[in-house]
Amino acid sequence: GQQVMQIPQYQHVQEGEDFTTYCNSSTTLSNIQWYKQRPGGHPVFLIQLVKSGEVKKQKRLTFQFGEAKKNSSLHITATQTTDVGTYFCAEHQAGTALIFGKGTTLSVSS
Amino acid sequence: DVKVTQSSRYLVKRTGEKVFLECVQDMDHENMFWYRQDPGLGLRLIYFSYDVKMKEKGDIPEGYSVSREKKERFSLILESASTNQTSMYLCASSSPQLAGDETDTQYFGPGTRLTVL
Repeated sequence: GQQVMQIPQYQHVQEGEDFTTYCNSSTTLSNIQWYKQRPGGHPVFLIQLVKSGEVKKQKRLTFQFGEAKKNSSLHITATQTTDVGTYFCAEHQAGTALIFGKGTTLSVSS
Repeated sequence: DVKVTQSSRYLVKRTGEKVFLECVQDMDHENMFWYRQDPGLGLRLIYFSYDVKMKEKGDIPEGYSVSREKKERFSLILESASTNQTSMYLCASSSPQLAGDETDTQYFGPGTRLTVL
């Protein structure tokens, strides 16, 4: 089935370093949602992007939607140990369920 | 706060057993979903339902069935459990897309970790 590709699969950083995960699609996306799942927890909704070129910020997190609406990114500035977890992008098309990427698992060492 | 609950956090079953995983949401959401999550594979959709007594197959429905007799409850059934169904199962619910740019945010339950021996 249709899938959004997410890279990298794993990323390890030192506390204070930046982190970016990318979500790509071969087709135009209607929108993108981002979720975070802490170890042992369940996915929690972070944000949704709908408009071409949209940029949204949540404290140290910056979310971008590409101009062609075929890619998106999540950037974390100055990572903290509380940022550990798996970050998923997901696309929702009208009349269907969310299509999730495989996720990027972030580990942070202090 | 939206609450999605799942009947068990951990479950151990034997090969060939019939397994029921229950999910209940208290926000009157029309849409409910069952996913399984495996390392390196992310979240994969098994079945979803947009209304009572309505169901649609997701990406990996083989070996599973579902039941939605009441709006708040969505059950996942493994007719004859197999070892390759050992996984984390996540239920989610959402309201349908309303209008314009709005889209449905999915709220997840805590998950059921199923082990089939």
